[in-house]
Amino acid sequence: DGGITQSPKYLFRKEGQNVTLSCEQNLNHDAMYWYRQDPGQGLRLIYYSQIVNDFQKGDIAEGYSVSREKKESFPLTVTSAQKNPTAFYLCASSIIVTDSDTEAFFGQGTRLTVV
Amino acid sequence: ILNVEQSPQSLHVQEGDSTNFTCSFPSSNFYALHWYRWETAKSPEALFVMTLNGDEKKKGRISATLNTKEGYSYLYIKGSQPEDSATYLCAFHMDTGRRALTFGSGTRLQVQP
Repeated sequence: DGGITQSPKYLFRKEGQNVTLSCEQNLNHDAMYWYRQDPGQGLRLIYYSQIVNDFQKGDIAEGYSVSREKKESFPLTVTSAQKNPTAFYLCASSIIVTDSDTEAFFGQGTRLTVV
Repeated sequence: ILNVEQSPQSLHVQEGDSTNFTCSFPSSNFYALHWYRWETAKSPEALFVMTLNGDEKKKGRISATLNTKEGYSYLYIKGSQPEDSATYLCAFHMDTGRRALTFGSGTRLQVQP
């Protein structure tokens, strides 16, 4: 079955530690995205990538890092520099087409709690 | 930061009621407007991707309209059912610069049987 897999579903981290959230897709999509959701807020863009070995910052990139070494994978590292990392993180992917637009497909999300 | 606003924030309706939500987005640099439904404990799923001014799309009891010149889109649900209970998100895609969706904060719909 094609889709996007995020792991783990729940993650606990001690303050001051870096942690990496996994996102893998087997849809052969070009673009991948990371969003963060906080209670009562919408999805805010952290980073996105349209092609392997290239990525751009979103609205709230500070304290996060990403890599895109393979088309299928777009891991997100939450560093100790992120002041308020407790949140729900969603990964998404989409095809890139010219002169039109296509829907994004989402993973199930990772809930990160800093203790 | 792009401003995408949705109203109302939440809505409680009775089964059988029809309802509608609004999404406001920048009227310049428009590329596409997306609507997603996000049910509890599931992933968001696309309802519509709209690209042309005046576009109207329909899927069962749900329909959407688009006005790119004034920067708004409406989502309508006819005869709401309990299974329509979810958060409805709209997302704006601009035609230059950032090539990623900017989401509104969503409208949370609760349909009482």
